[in-house]
Amino acid sequence: NAGVTQTPKFQVLKTGQSMTLQCAQDMNHNSMYWYRQDPGMGLRLIYYSASEGTTDKGEVPNGYNVSRLNKREFSLRLESAAPSQTSVYFCASKGAATNEKLFFGSGTQLSVL
Amino acid sequence: KQEVTQIPAALSVPEGENLVLNCSFTDSAIYNLQWFRQDPGKGLTSLLLIQSSQREQTSGRLNASLDKSSGRSTLYIAASQPGDSATYLCAVRGDAGNMLTFGGGTRLMVKP
Repeated sequence: NAGVTQTPKFQVLKTGQSMTLQCAQDMNHNSMYWYRQDPGMGLRLIYYSASEGTTDKGEVPNGYNVSRLNKREFSLRLESAAPSQTSVYFCASKGAATNEKLFFGSGTQLSVL
Repeated sequence: KQEVTQIPAALSVPEGENLVLNCSFTDSAIYNLQWFRQDPGKGLTSLLLIQSSQREQTSGRLNASLDKSSGRSTLYIAASQPGDSATYLCAVRGDAGNMLTFGGGTRLMVKP
C-alpha cells in the first residue's frame, strides 16, 4: 500500500523560481490537504480540497496555488518562491466520513535561497 | 479561533516508565481529536482518534482520553520503550469546515 505519495522529497530553489509539489493518494479518499511545518509554528494548513473539483484556502494560503487534478492527485504550486516559504510541506488525505483518520505523506523539504 | 497547546514541549524518561502527554484546546465545539506520532524526517502517523461523543480510545499500550468540557485530552503511554521516542502531536477538528488545528507537539525521548 503506497498510501500518500509526495514528490520531490527535497528541493532547493532560488528566490523567484517556481515549482509544483505533487501529491497522490491511492485510498480513494475524498479530502486532500497541504500543510507546512515550521519550527515553533507547528503544522499550518495551506489549502485543502474537500472533494474532486473543489479547493479552499486554509490558514496560510498566500503565495500558493493548488489544483485538484482528479480524485487521486492534489498539487501545490509556488509561482514565485520566497525565502519565507522555506519549510517542510506535507500532503494528507482523509475519507468521506467525518471521523476518519488523516493519512500523511512523508514530506517535501524545500529551501528557498 | 481554535488554539491547541501541548505541554511539555519535551520530555525525557527512563525505559519502562508510564507517562502522560497533555493537550488542551480553547474551543470545546469539536468533532474529534487525533493523536499523531512523528519520527524525525518523516510524516505523521495517526495513533488514535476520539470522537466528540467518546471519552477515551485505546490501542495497545496507548490510551487517549477526552474531556470536551474542560478542553483537555491526554495520551497515556504504558511501559515506555526506546522505540516510543518521537514527537507526539494532537489535533482537533472543529465544526467550521474541514480543518484540523494542530498543537506544537511534545518531543519524547525514552532512554534505555
